[in-house]
Amino acid sequence: HLQLRESGPRLVKPSETLSLTCDVSGGSIHRSPYHWGWIRQSPGAGLQWIGSIFYDGGAYYNPSLASRAAISVDTSKNQFSLDLTSVTAPDTAVYYCVTWMTQSFVLYSDHWGQGVPVTVSS
Amino acid sequence: DIQLTQSPSSLSPSIGDRVTITCRASQYISNRLNWYQQRMGKAPKLLIYGATSLQSGVSPRFSGSASGTEFTLTINGVQSEDSATYFCQQGEDPPYNFGLGTNLDIK
Repeated sequence: HLQLRESGPRLVKPSETLSLTCDVSGGSIHRSPYHWGWIRQSPGAGLQWIGSIFYDGGAYYNPSLASRAAISVDTSKNQFSLDLTSVTAPDTAVYYCVTWMTQSFVLYSDHWGQGVPVTVSS
Repeated sequence: DIQLTQSPSSLSPSIGDRVTITCRASQYISNRLNWYQQRMGKAPKLLIYGATSLQSGVSPRFSGSASGTEFTLTINGVQSEDSATYFCQQGEDPPYNFGLGTNLDIK
């Protein structure tokens, strides 16, 4: 049974980089049918897709965050990561790592981590 | 970007009621619409994918339908454990936007 778990600092200072890691267990990143991604949730913006990555490292991003977001994958550690640079208060949110599955041309997220709350504050 | 308009924003049904939540897409997205349930303090959980397909392990009280750009999530015989916020999400084109959610508060 595939499980995802986020880790990283809960508090980040404005203008610094938010870095989170998602550990994948119960399956292999490079052998599974999934691709992988990050979604965040805040009271102001609701649920927001940040970006997604394939096991070979190919990634694509929400245009509103593309200039600041970078997702990478480490198949040797069976994990993937998010870096979000130059953070400000609106980046305060709960961050989820998720799987993306494509079935009959339909794309959906069927596994979510528990979420990690991140606050941007000095 | 494809926008999703979800209605109503909140509902207060009684146990056993039939509940309908609607999500309207700003353009044609075929059947690429998913529904999620989020209980308080938890991560969202996939209920329906591809507009009508029930995710494995989800109660058959949940069903989805589609007509053009309008999608519906129906809960037949709502139970106390259905108290949650429900979101739609489009998987047609990135960015994969979500609706703003419908809060279901069981009386």
